[in-house]
Amino acid sequence: SQQGEEDPQALSIQEGENATMNCSYKTSINNLQWYRQNSGRGLVHLILIRSNEREKHSGRLRVTLDTSKKSSSLLITASRAADTASYFCATATYSGNTPLVFGKGTRLSVIA
Amino acid sequence: DAMVIQNPRYQVTQFGKPVTLSCSQTLNHNVMYWYQQKSSQAPKLLFHYYDKDFNNEADTPDNFQSRRPNTSFCFLDIRSPGLGDAAMYLCATSRDRQFNEQFFGPGTRLTVL
Repeated sequence: SQQGEEDPQALSIQEGENATMNCSYKTSINNLQWYRQNSGRGLVHLILIRSNEREKHSGRLRVTLDTSKKSSSLLITASRAADTASYFCATATYSGNTPLVFGKGTRLSVIA
Repeated sequence: DAMVIQNPRYQVTQFGKPVTLSCSQTLNHNVMYWYQQKSSQAPKLLFHYYDKDFNNEADTPDNFQSRRPNTSFCFLDIRSPGLGDAAMYLCATSRDRQFNEQFFGPGTRLTVL
């Protein structure tokens, strides 16, 4: 079953603008991760935020986590055409030996 | 550089003709995963190996099998590919099963004629 649900499904912005994607999940998590996938390629890990963290930065990426609302957001600042990709959140739960569960993804298009 | 390698990158097979996709890793990770991803969808986990321990997802068709002869290699066998099996197949690894990040290969695009 899908644990994470991204919102919006698709997002189109101009180069230089900020892009915000949201992820909601259903059960308690150990951590939440964000991945990027360029068209026709494998996924690349971007950032991991643990359940006891509220915010994390990596370069132009800023991730927040609100465990009370069971939601996370990924902000990409000053977007570039090269940021065009699909972005997936994935949750790591405490349930047995369950691997990561991926959401459906947000398709981001950055127009030059 | 440590990495996850998938061969071939593109595979064409005929309806019903068995096909094997391969994955190798130089990360020495304990866990290897196979995902199926169709256009504009999330990756769907088919199965994973924790070391030699095979874990099949409940909804993975019997048509899909896997082998992990050693730590570095893992194979996906599709015994009788149907048109619905055309997809991108992604291999990934992680140090352990639950909490670590996963490292993905570039994927194999399977076409079934």
